[in-house]
Amino acid sequence: EVQLVQSGAEVKKAGEPLRISCKGSGYDFTNKWIAWVRQVPGEGLEWVGIIYPEDSDTRYSPSFRGQVTISVDNSFNTAYLQWSSLKASDTAIYYCARGDNFNPRWLQFDFWGQGTLVTVSS
Amino acid sequence: QSVLTQPPSVSAAPRQKVAISCSGSGSNIGNNFVSWYQQFPGTAPKLLIYENNKRPSGIPDRFSASKSGTSATLGITGLQAGDEADYFCGTWDDILTAYVFGTGTKVTVL
Repeated sequence: EVQLVQSGAEVKKAGEPLRISCKGSGYDFTNKWIAWVRQVPGEGLEWVGIIYPEDSDTRYSPSFRGQVTISVDNSFNTAYLQWSSLKASDTAIYYCARGDNFNPRWLQFDFWGQGTLVTVSS
Repeated sequence: QSVLTQPPSVSAAPRQKVAISCSGSGSNIGNNFVSWYQQFPGTAPKLLIYENNKRPSGIPDRFSASKSGTSATLGITGLQAGDEADYFCGTWDDILTAYVFGTGTKVTVL
């Protein structure tokens, strides 16, 4: 059974660093894209970026490039989303999702993690 | 300010049908596959449609989708109370070189 299990909720202060995780199981982790998606409660979905674990090919949305870093550790079948310095505007739920197509232009996200709520106080 | 525009809400009575539009441009819908996602409050999105009109295993055929030019449409027939959710379209944008989601549509069963 394919599963993506994310790390727990975080409460941080502005300016602090943070790394959240997404552990995949039930499939060959290295040959499916992993995406991160942001959702402010009550609002829509925003695509943050994707990483291909086998070669760490990473693509970012222009809105998030330079603001976050996506990485992966294939030893632990885990992808990460990290911030060096959080802002209050980073407060949101962050989902990871598996991208089911080798070509990123043809991606669909077929399995999703449960979401990680990140709360940043100013 | 998504590049894919959806109506904020649609509604219909039980057993009726609804159609949700997703309007884009040649750099996104016009040139790439469209997916649709269903999201219930407090839960993660779920893939409903991929590659414009294909249903993953387990998705009932009451859900269908199509694409024409720079627009896509999700249809739900035989509407049920359990279909009340938010629905998002999504596709790759060749100019942004990023995946983009639609603005989202809330379906209400009257």
